[in-house]
Amino acid sequence: QKEVEQNSGPLSVPEGAIASLNCTYSDRGSQSFFWYRQYSGKSPELIMFIYSNGDKEDGRFTAQLNKASQYVSLLIRDSQPSDSATYLCAPDSGTYKYIFGTGTRLKVLA
Amino acid sequence: EAQVTQNPRYLITVTGKKLTVTCSQNMNHEYMSWYRQDPGLGLRQIYYSMNVEVTDKGDVPEGYKVSRKEKRNFPLILESPSPNQTSLYFCASSLERNQPQHFGDGTRLSIL
Repeated sequence: QKEVEQNSGPLSVPEGAIASLNCTYSDRGSQSFFWYRQYSGKSPELIMFIYSNGDKEDGRFTAQLNKASQYVSLLIRDSQPSDSATYLCAPDSGTYKYIFGTGTRLKVLA
Repeated sequence: EAQVTQNPRYLITVTGKKLTVTCSQNMNHEYMSWYRQDPGLGLRQIYYSMNVEVTDKGDVPEGYKVSRKEKRNFPLILESPSPNQTSLYFCASSLERNQPQHFGDGTRLSIL
């Protein structure tokens, strides 16, 4: 069974700090990776996706991918209380199936 | 407005009474998928569809059926619902398999 592992949290960070969310995956065939944000009671929405090893930046968000280590992370700079949500990692394995991580709950403390 | 629409948003029903949750997207997406979300278990894929008339099982297909007769619609059918199917259900679509998915607002099902 292919697995996607995330620390369930909650990860608590003070406002203005950097939040670091991590995801490891077992399927070496995974080519691209999606990070979704899910507010309580709402549907997931795309935050970032990354295809290549290295960093990809979009505003306050940076996705980092290391395929050799089978590790992808999401950094949120200058964290705001509005960033408090659950963050889901989803590798694209190259098949039509998707396996999501169980998510990391982030709490940004004002 | 580009969107994925699910109906109903909430449903309480009883064991064994057939129900259908509808899903429709207006973005001409090829790929559509159904997920259920349970506390501690995350999002788990039930069924997916690559295009019209092409569907396949995800990780938790037991007790569910789907069909894709039109590109925009992908209904989820519970022929004989049971209490263990009480969950929050999401429909999602993407232009192609490896593109970001757009999610509907969710359907909260309670099977008594």
